[in-house]
Amino acid sequence: AQSVTQPDIHITVSEGASLELRCNYSYGATPYLFWYVQSPGQGLQLLLKYFSGDTLVQGIKGFEAEFKRSQSSFNLRKPSVHWSDAAEYFCAVGGNTPLVFGKGTRLSVIA
Amino acid sequence: DAGVIQSPRHEVTEMGQEVTLRCKPISGHDYLFWYRQTMMRGLELLIYFNNNVPIDDSGMPEDRFSAKMPNASFSTLKIQPSEPRDSAVYFCASSLTLKGAGNYGYTFGSGTRLTVV
Repeated sequence: AQSVTQPDIHITVSEGASLELRCNYSYGATPYLFWYVQSPGQGLQLLLKYFSGDTLVQGIKGFEAEFKRSQSSFNLRKPSVHWSDAAEYFCAVGGNTPLVFGKGTRLSVIA
Repeated sequence: DAGVIQSPRHEVTEMGQEVTLRCKPISGHDYLFWYRQTMMRGLELLIYFNNNVPIDDSGMPEDRFSAKMPNASFSTLKIQPSEPRDSAVYFCASSLTLKGAGNYGYTFGSGTRLTVV
């Protein structure tokens, strides 16, 4: 069965610092990969997705992610974090089945 | 489009009462999903529909849970009777395709926070 692992439950970074959130997946077929962000009391908003083609995908709010098939990873990156990026981030995998989500990584941003 | 609309935003009910959660998907989306979010289990898929037909309800925890989609613009998730362990945030999402094609992938509503006391 498909699964997603986000190893980091909580990460704290300083404003202006770079960010990398880790995601590893298990999927028996060609994976379709997603990153979503959830602000407190809100629904999930799509940041970016990978279906095929270039393994480095660009998303909204300055985020990017790289698909590495050999490592079964789809890590999310941002070169310079803003205080407004503090939120919960979810990685998800799908394809021929509905999206399965990781448990999420909570990002805190300090001045 | 106003996005996926869920109601109510918050629901507090007593154990044993019936609870009905409502969802209006984005017009033109053929797929509708109900997810439940808890601290312990994260986001879990409960059930999904394709063209108003339930496809997979294996995630529905018990017979106390039921979901319907009488038409393309409306779905309900009902819990009867409710129990404290049902307390969670319930999300509805819709999508053009099962894979999440299109600019927004699965589009989520704002959720219903259910508290059963």
